[in-house]
Amino acid sequence: QKEVEQNSGPLSVPEGAIASLNCTYSDRGSQSFFWYRQYSGKSPELIMFIYSNGDKEDGRFTAQLNKASQYVSLLIRDSQPSDSATYLCAVNKGGGGNKLTFGTGTQLKVEL
Amino acid sequence: DVKVTQSSRYLVKRTGEKVFLECVQDMDHENMFWYRQDPGLGLRLIYFSYDVKMKEKGDIPEGYSVSREKKERFSLILESASTNQTSMYLCASSLYGNTEAFFGQGTRLTVV
Repeated sequence: QKEVEQNSGPLSVPEGAIASLNCTYSDRGSQSFFWYRQYSGKSPELIMFIYSNGDKEDGRFTAQLNKASQYVSLLIRDSQPSDSATYLCAVNKGGGGNKLTFGTGTQLKVEL
Repeated sequence: DVKVTQSSRYLVKRTGEKVFLECVQDMDHENMFWYRQDPGLGLRLIYFSYDVKMKEKGDIPEGYSVSREKKERFSLILESASTNQTSMYLCASSLYGNTEAFFGQGTRLTVV
């Protein structure tokens, strides 16, 4: 079992719709969770992070964390073509060094 | 803004050469990381460092070494480059603790 799992996609949604991206992780001791966006040929950039169970909202983005189910998700409301990218889920298991473990990413395509 | 700068955007090296990839960050971050990114495999951690002269192996350290003589600089060394080390290499840095990582622009290395 991979430490961080994501569906590779592509996930296609129409413009204006809600895109839902999901991620599961295997280590129950994981402490913090990050969503990065990566455009083709570019480096990852942070969208959001979440530490506590529940929802965290930032503009059109909402991160959801359920530690009991070892599940974290990212919702993108009013999806735009500029949201088309690969979304990477990353998990910090804590301890020294602040090491992040990444999923393989989900490709999102927002269609006109 | 945090700036993480990698010395080269593109690099072509011959099999057997010793290769140095340099990374500099300007935000006084304690942690620095080297990842490689390959299609279908996502980002995989090669090495990380949480302090000057300190280093720890990541998930795929074989064939690589690192050096951190100054806090702002973290170097990745391919002792004898091989074709299976052709990849995108990403450097990142973060503050000590449970915080997000900031990435450099990446170095696309081709070993021929």
